[in-house]
Amino acid sequence: GDSVTQMEGPVTLSEEAFLTINCTYTATGYPSLFWYVQYPGEGLQLLLKATKADDKGSNKGFEATYRKETTSFHLEKGSVQVSDSAVYFCALSDRAGGGNKLTFGTGTQLKVEL
Amino acid sequence: NAGVTQTPKFQVLKTGQSMTLQCAQDMNHNSMYWYRQDPGMGLRLIYYSASEGTTDKGEVPNGYNVSRLNKREFSLRLESAAPSQTSVYFCASTREINEQFFGPGTRLTVL
Repeated sequence: GDSVTQMEGPVTLSEEAFLTINCTYTATGYPSLFWYVQYPGEGLQLLLKATKADDKGSNKGFEATYRKETTSFHLEKGSVQVSDSAVYFCALSDRAGGGNKLTFGTGTQLKVEL
Repeated sequence: NAGVTQTPKFQVLKTGQSMTLQCAQDMNHNSMYWYRQDPGMGLRLIYYSASEGTTDKGEVPNGYNVSRLNKREFSLRLESAAPSQTSVYFCASTREINEQFFGPGTRLTVL
């Protein structure tokens, strides 16, 4: 079945550092890929998405490129801020599976310190 | 436009008690979902409803029932709560294929 693997956290960075959170996936069809962010005490919010190979999703300085050859969708940001501290979830939706169901990774907690 | 709302925000139950978690969305979305979030497990789908009048099991449906009351509302019921159901529960909805909008969550503790 479909699965998503992302790096374990917590990831602790200093403000203005470069961020990479790795995400790889396994899917039987042609999935769409997503990054969701969860701030403390809140629900998940869509951060960015990519629907086909080589697409780049971007939002709020974050970006991720859909790499079919490596089945990856790594999240990057050039300069993190304290306000980026949150849990980040990689997810996929496989059209071949039918419906609008998402498969999530386990989440990576990011802590940004001054 | 409130998006996806959930009640209650917090709940403590004793083993064997029952309760219903409520979810409503005002975005005219067709599909709605219930997830549970546990440490180190990510989000796991309990049940979903692709459209009004239909419901289907997700990855972890045992111990739960759902009702799609109308297009706006999708409730999750625990008939006989167990400590293993201690979790944070999220409701979500979608119109466009794949992009889901989440509620703020219900934190449930079963003693």
